[in-house]
Amino acid sequence: QKEVEQNSGPLSVPEGAIASLNCTYSDRGSQSFFWYRQYSGKSPELIMFIYSNGDKEDGRFTAQLNKASQYVSLLIRDSQPSDSATYLCAVRGAGNNRKLIWGLGTSLAVNP
Amino acid sequence: DVKVTQSSRYLVKRTGEKVFLECVQDMDHENMFWYRQDPGLGLRLIYFSYDVKMKEKGDIPEGYSVSREKKERFSLILESASTNQTSMYLCASTGTGVHTQYFGPGTRLTVL
Repeated sequence: QKEVEQNSGPLSVPEGAIASLNCTYSDRGSQSFFWYRQYSGKSPELIMFIYSNGDKEDGRFTAQLNKASQYVSLLIRDSQPSDSATYLCAVRGAGNNRKLIWGLGTSLAVNP
Repeated sequence: DVKVTQSSRYLVKRTGEKVFLECVQDMDHENMFWYRQDPGLGLRLIYFSYDVKMKEKGDIPEGYSVSREKKERFSLILESASTNQTSMYLCASTGTGVHTQYFGPGTRLTVL
């Protein structure tokens, strides 16, 4: 059973701090990795994706991928109260795989 | 921008009723997905479709069926609704070679 695991949280950080969210996956052949944000009662929205080992930055967000250790992380710099949400990690497996495997999400609370 | 729409935001049905949930995307995407999301259980894939009239079962297809007669439209059918199908239903779509899933706003279904 291919799995994606996340710490459920809640992760609580003060406003302006760096929030670090982690995700591990079991399928070593996984190809692409996605971070979504989901506000309560709303649908998931894409933050960013990453395919290659290393860091990828987009504004205040940085995704980090380490395929050897099978983890992907999301850093949120200068956290704002509006970042308070659940963050979902999703992984696409090897081959011509149309499906994503989803983690259960990490709840983040940014305190003013 | 990709737009995925769902027929209803909120729906209340009675046990035994036949329920249709519709999803429409405007980006000519080949792949469409139906998920349900429940607290503590995350996103669970019900069915997906990779082409018109083509479908594959996801992780929890029991009690559901789907229809895809046109590329832009993917319908989820609950043949005889039961109370354990009370949930948030999310539709998503993605194109070939682009595996980012774009979500509709969701339908919160309550079965009484």
